[in-house]
Amino acid sequence: QKEVEQDPGPLSVPEGAIVSLNCTYSNSAFQYFMWYRQYSRKGPELLMYTYSSGNKEDGRFTAQVDKSSKYISLFIRDSQPSDSATYLCAMKQGGSEKLVFGKGTKLTVNP
Amino acid sequence: GAVVSQHPSRVICKSGTSVKIECRSLDFQATTMFWYRQFPKQSLMLMATSNEGSKATYEQGVEKDKFLINHASLTLSTLTVTSAHPEDSSFYICSARGDGGGLGTQYFGPGTRLTVL
Repeated sequence: QKEVEQDPGPLSVPEGAIVSLNCTYSNSAFQYFMWYRQYSRKGPELLMYTYSSGNKEDGRFTAQVDKSSKYISLFIRDSQPSDSATYLCAMKQGGSEKLVFGKGTKLTVNP
Repeated sequence: GAVVSQHPSRVICKSGTSVKIECRSLDFQATTMFWYRQFPKQSLMLMATSNEGSKATYEQGVEKDKFLINHASLTLSTLTVTSAHPEDSSFYICSARGDGGGLGTQYFGPGTRLTVL
């Protein structure tokens, strides 16, 4: 079993839709959970991070962490064509700098 | 925001040659830089962690004699793929750690696409 599982998609939605992206993980020692956005031919850009369980909201983006289920989510409200990108989940243990990534989900928002 | 550059963005080389990739933090000092590799349809995988002025720490399964890392200054780290072979063809991305409080946010470069013929 991989440490982090993420459905690679692709996921295609109409503009304005609510998008739900998810990752599961197996290592209960992970404490920091991140979502990165990667445009084509660019490096990953940090979108959201959460420490331990709970929700975090930033504009149209909401990150959720459920440590009991080892499941994290990223919700995008009112999705825009400019949100079209690959979304990577990543996580790390406390005291460690090593990020463990999911494979990424390719999202296309159609106008 | 913090900017990290990589050079070159794309390189094609013959089998057996060495290739050097540069990673620079443009507007901040990075005591720690990271090198990742991403094969098609696979996750970004950490290869090594590089601290300025000291030897890099390699992840299990990464050959330190094949992937030479030099982090001679607070703004520059280099990865040299020695005696490259077709199986080394991949997307190499570096990141530099900025001061993000407890998180230590990593800022990523745009990546280098290496093709070994």
